[in-house]
Amino acid sequence: KAGVTQTPRYLIKTRGQQVTLSCSPISGHRSVSWYQQTPGQGLQFLFEYFSETQRNKGNFPGRFSGRQFSNSRSEMNVSTLELGDSALYLCASSLDRVRTFGSGTRLTVV
Amino acid sequence: TQLLEQSPQFLSIQEGENLTVYCNSSSVFSSLQWYRQEPGEGPVLLVTVVTGGEVKKLKRLTFQFGDARKDSSLHITAAQPGDTGLYLCAGGTNAGKSTFGDGTTLTVKP
Repeated sequence: KAGVTQTPRYLIKTRGQQVTLSCSPISGHRSVSWYQQTPGQGLQFLFEYFSETQRNKGNFPGRFSGRQFSNSRSEMNVSTLELGDSALYLCASSLDRVRTFGSGTRLTVV
Repeated sequence: TQLLEQSPQFLSIQEGENLTVYCNSSSVFSSLQWYRQEPGEGPVLLVTVVTGGEVKKLKRLTFQFGDARKDSSLHITAAQPGDTGLYLCAGGTNAGKSTFGDGTTLTVKP
């Protein structure tokens, strides 16, 4: 049974650029959530999608957005990148309160 | 905003020692989860506790949910180098939102 797949694993972007990260959940999981993890702030919730609808949203600026497709795959987009956006971005798919994380995308903004 | 405080932040012990990690909040949670995260990977779910006073055992790991569902502890008996990692607690609400603690970094030396 395949796990949660996140692509790409590593990414380097320049300030001001935009980036799109992808997440493929476990087959059958319709809930996908995104998190930002940094040494200073820990693991912070970005948003959650269920059946293509955003169900919950964390306290991040509007530069952070996401969407979910009919096959439950999800993408998150960050526009106008800032140095402080450098982080490990984690995606998790959930079924019955069991949350399974992917290995993350390490984004570095230079 | 619901906050979860974990202590200690860092813990370095010798193989064979016992340890306890704490997760405290002033808020009540409907559920609490513990995860272990290794470098370069996403967190892996260890346990979910939902009932106040609940105790769950997973081999050498013992998890306890406080009676008031505001705090939790993780006790490891006879720690091994393979237990090394970042331990995260996450509190869940009935609205489906989760809050993560900042984590405890455990190092077990052979």
